[in-house]
Amino acid sequence: DQQVKQNSPSLSVQEGRISILNCDYTNSMFDYFLWYKKYPAEGPTFLISISSIKDKNEDGRFTVFLNKSAKHLSLHIVPSQPGDSAVYFCAAMGGNQFYFGTGTSLTVIP
Amino acid sequence: EAEVAQSPRYKITEKSQAVAFWCDPISGHATLYWYRQILGQGPELLVQFQDESVVDDSQLPKDRFSAERLKGVDSTLKIQPAELGDSAMYLCASSLGPNNEQFFGPGTRLTVL
Repeated sequence: DQQVKQNSPSLSVQEGRISILNCDYTNSMFDYFLWYKKYPAEGPTFLISISSIKDKNEDGRFTVFLNKSAKHLSLHIVPSQPGDSAVYFCAAMGGNQFYFGTGTSLTVIP
Repeated sequence: EAEVAQSPRYKITEKSQAVAFWCDPISGHATLYWYRQILGQGPELLVQFQDESVVDDSQLPKDRFSAERLKGVDSTLKIQPAELGDSAMYLCASSLGPNNEQFFGPGTRLTVL
């Protein structure tokens, strides 16, 4: 039972444009959400997070939006850079449970 | 900057052999996690420790997998005997507590032949 879903396995974006990565969850008990970035042969690296009491959190080029009613969050990267090319995982926490999505592979084309 | 250390980075073994992975979490992190990531999927939690105690091992195949964190610091994950389907990336992560961000090590890539 996949409680955190990323329905787009891959995404290609031109350098300088906006990248939007989406994530859906099913468990209303989740109250904290995170995005991780993963390069090949490395462990995931924490990128940005958001608490369920907020609907937006911004850190430089990265912004995470949370829509609790839709159980949906998204990561916006603007402007996208070639170094952003990686696999992005969303994760959800709540009640000592922690679940990862399946990942979206982002390719930023120079 | 403090990091989670894992070794080995790569391991190739034949099926039915025993393998062991080691993880050293960030100093002061009480919670330690072992994940398995199969290519194209998200990390799947195998076991979670709080200090030296296991708090969640519901997804750990206990007939062949074992994990320990005897002194509440570093941890070992063992597979015996290894099977072809065990080929995956094994990731270790640590956090200050169960509700804090997790920091991941570089992982161990296991290939079972």
